Amino acid sequence: AQRVTQPEKLLSVFKGAPVELKCNYSYSGSPELFWYVQYSRQRLQLLLRHISRESIKGFTADLNKGETSFHLKKPFAQEEDSAMYYCALSAYNQGGKLIFGQGTELSVKP
Amino acid sequence: AAGVIQSPRHLIKEKRETATLKCYPIPRHDTVYWYQQGPGQDPQFLISFYEKMQSDKGSIPDRFSAQQFSDYHSELNMSSLELGDSALYFCASSLVGSTEGTQYFGPGTRLLVL
Repeated sequence: AQRVTQPEKLLSVFKGAPVELKCNYSYSGSPELFWYVQYSRQRLQLLLRHISRESIKGFTADLNKGETSFHLKKPFAQEEDSAMYYCALSAYNQGGKLIFGQGTELSVKP
Repeated sequence: AAGVIQSPRHLIKEKRETATLKCYPIPRHDTVYWYQQGPGQDPQFLISFYEKMQSDKGSIPDRFSAQQFSDYHSELNMSSLELGDSALYFCASSLVGSTEGTQYFGPGTRLLVL
């Protein structure tokens, strides 16, 4: 079965500290992986997609097919990074619906 | 740039009533997805439409129905509402076949069933 797992419900760090939000997935084919962010009272916004291999707001994520992981990293967290982060998987052969993880709330303290 | 629009933003209904949620995708996007996010839960896929035809169906109750119209907007109709239907309902749109294929989300409709 397709599944996305984010083991941490809440991650609290101090400003300037490194951040790693974990994401593991299970999927039999070649999935497309995304990170979406939801700031307080705002809509879900795309942060990263694995095929772009880009860095957005200092965040990067590498797809590790061997470990079936797509962890989100940032070397120096900022207070404005505080938000809810969702890892999601899309299966194109199934209409492209997104399967979300449970989400990780990142809290960056001053 | 224009974003996905959802209306209403908030809705309060009584049990057994009916609700209609509307979604207006980004112009030229041909696919609409509906998701339900219960309190403290991750978004769950309900149903999707591509070029006005249902393309996929998830965990959508039989009490719910949806369609996509000729102008590509979509409506989610919910009947015989139950307390457990209280949730945030997201709509997302995408352009299938584009190099992106990314889903862009609306602000959501928060439904409260009393």
